[in-house]
Amino acid sequence: DAKTTQPPSMDCAEGRAANLPCNHSTISGNEYVYWYRQIHSQGPQYIIHGLKNNETNEMASLIITEDRKSSTLILPHATLRDTAVYYCIVRVAGTASKLTFGTGTRLQVTL
Amino acid sequence: EAQVTQNPRYLITVTGKKLTVTCSQNMNHEYMSWYRQDPGLGLRQIYYSMNVEVTDKGDVPEGYKVSRKEKRNFPLILESPSPNQTSLYFCATTDQFNIQYFGAGTRLSVL
Repeated sequence: DAKTTQPPSMDCAEGRAANLPCNHSTISGNEYVYWYRQIHSQGPQYIIHGLKNNETNEMASLIITEDRKSSTLILPHATLRDTAVYYCIVRVAGTASKLTFGTGTRLQVTL
Repeated sequence: EAQVTQNPRYLITVTGKKLTVTCSQNMNHEYMSWYRQDPGLGLRQIYYSMNVEVTDKGDVPEGYKVSRKEKRNFPLILESPSPNQTSLYFCATTDQFNIQYFGAGTRLSVL
């Protein structure tokens, strides 16, 4: 799986959009970008994934650059409950295997 | 509701006393795995199973056993727990899109 780089921490005011970047410059053509988050020792939670097109679901949006070397997870209206560690993972879809979590970005949403 | 259920959620035990952490899923997923999470080390895979009666070692299998006699259950067995197995444990399943679903976690302390 391609390696990813994320900033260690970010702050965001409640109600504002949280934009979490991820670099994955060695991504292969068949690798997807997945985002998970972990809220204080709870089980990691899947958020969204994509290959090359931008994706949106009820939780977030995922913007992938045209060259696919980086992406941004957008939480459009962050709330205090979005405070968590966010992990960007790149891997091939369709073949189940372990997830390799890096250190992620610790997002702190404040009043 | 799709669920991965782990029990117990919290466990304090003594060195050498055999214990089992159960994991059950209701999503009919073939791939299941166990992770442990320790401060500064992230999530590390212990064992995984690609289907009934098919199990294999992950990154840190020493001191653990698993079994997969039926699709829905994947128990983690510590035959002789030691203090270095004090950790937060997660069971997970993987669907056909390579999305993993995690249980709520089991916090184990071995004295």
